[in-house]
Amino acid sequence: EPEVTQTPSHQVTQMGQEVILRCVPISNHLYFYWYRQILGQKVEFLVSFYNNEISEKSEIFDDQFSVERPDGSNFTLKIRSTKLEDSAMYFCASKTSGSEEQFFGPGTRLTVL
Amino acid sequence: AQKVTQAQTEISVVEKEDVTLDCVYETRDTTYYLFWYKQPPSGELVFLIRRNSFDEQNEISGRYSWNFQKSTSSFNFTITASQVVDSAVYFCALSGVLASNYKLTFGKGTLLTVNP
Repeated sequence: EPEVTQTPSHQVTQMGQEVILRCVPISNHLYFYWYRQILGQKVEFLVSFYNNEISEKSEIFDDQFSVERPDGSNFTLKIRSTKLEDSAMYFCASKTSGSEEQFFGPGTRLTVL
Repeated sequence: AQKVTQAQTEISVVEKEDVTLDCVYETRDTTYYLFWYKQPPSGELVFLIRRNSFDEQNEISGRYSWNFQKSTSSFNFTITASQVVDSAVYFCALSGVLASNYKLTFGKGTLLTVNP
């Protein structure tokens, strides 16, 4: 069964460093999402991406964040200069145009020291 | 703006008890979707159910059942004869139906602990 994959599963970085979180959505999906979950809190929407552009972004998604679909398979989230408060689990999700269900990846746990 | 409220932060039951997780939502959309996700200790999000706002029929899937009441903006989830493996955080979520509003808005989650 097709699934969304994310790498790495856990990333540790120093404050101020740039990180890139990678996702491979399901191959025939057209809508892509990033969500964030700070430990013990709810899952929060960051950004949605469709037709090679951002379709919606939340207040959390400031200038330090960017997304890209560099090729036909990967979908990346870049944090330019990480802060301590960026420590969280980051989930990638994708969906087709004909379905309401978003398929989630297993998440990348980002720890900023 | 959309909002999902899960008033129960934590619930603890003994195995074989029935348990209901509450979810109340707010939206200005006339058409929307409601979801429940399970997050076990391993951290992944497991999809459980999707419900269209036009479909108020209750649904049963094995030990799981869902009660959607549009009049009270609630979408409650019941686990019958709970098992230890049901221990997890359960999230209720809401999305719109327009391409610009497919994002999921999650509640804060309910931590369910099922004790043997």
